[in-house]
Amino acid sequence: DARVTQTPRDKVTEMGQEVTMRCQPILGHNTVFWYRQTMMQGLELLAYFRNRAPLDDSGMPKDRFSAEMPDATLATLKIQPSEPRDSAVYFCASGLDQRDNTEAFFGQGTRLTVV
Amino acid sequence: LAKTTQPISMDSYEGQEVNITCSHNNIATNDYITWYQQFPSQGPRFIIQGYKTKVTNEVASLFIPADRKSSTLSLPRVSLSDTAVYYCLVGDRYNQGGKLIFGQGTELSVKP
Repeated sequence: DARVTQTPRDKVTEMGQEVTMRCQPILGHNTVFWYRQTMMQGLELLAYFRNRAPLDDSGMPKDRFSAEMPDATLATLKIQPSEPRDSAVYFCASGLDQRDNTEAFFGQGTRLTVV
Repeated sequence: LAKTTQPISMDSYEGQEVNITCSHNNIATNDYITWYQQFPSQGPRFIIQGYKTKVTNEVASLFIPADRKSSTLSLPRVSLSDTAVYYCLVGDRYNQGGKLIFGQGTELSVKP
């Protein structure tokens, strides 16, 4: 049963600390998306990759957020330094970027709390 | 890029049929209409995609009129577990040229 795996599921950290969230996309998928969800802003696209190359990270605060795909089985989202306003649920999704396809598969999310 | 408009919220009762309509007046010829469902504390889940007429699967039906300027997601005989946010997306290769962008969705609340 192929699925997107995110770790950790929950993270509580102090302001100023570095946070790294990990995502294992479904094998064979060529596109990875990172989202942040809050009650106020809804589901925001932070960054996305195609064939491991970053295509758009305009949704991400550049000074503290970074996203990478060191290999096809791992995507990371890092926040350094973290701030209370970063508290949210972060989702990773993967899919196949091809004509006629609009299906992406989401992980369970990482609930981040910055105190 | 096709913009979508859908109600912010809807209420229903168990056993009723629920129809959520999405407007997409500037849909392009190559665009598909896709609906995602998001339960509380979970990531969104793809539930149905269509191009024209009617599509049905085990979860829902999708009705698309000939002009394709709107679509209706139909959930037959809803239960409490259908309480979720439903997102309408329009596009080809996800909904924005390879990106997958979600609007505010429709928050469906099913009451006993």
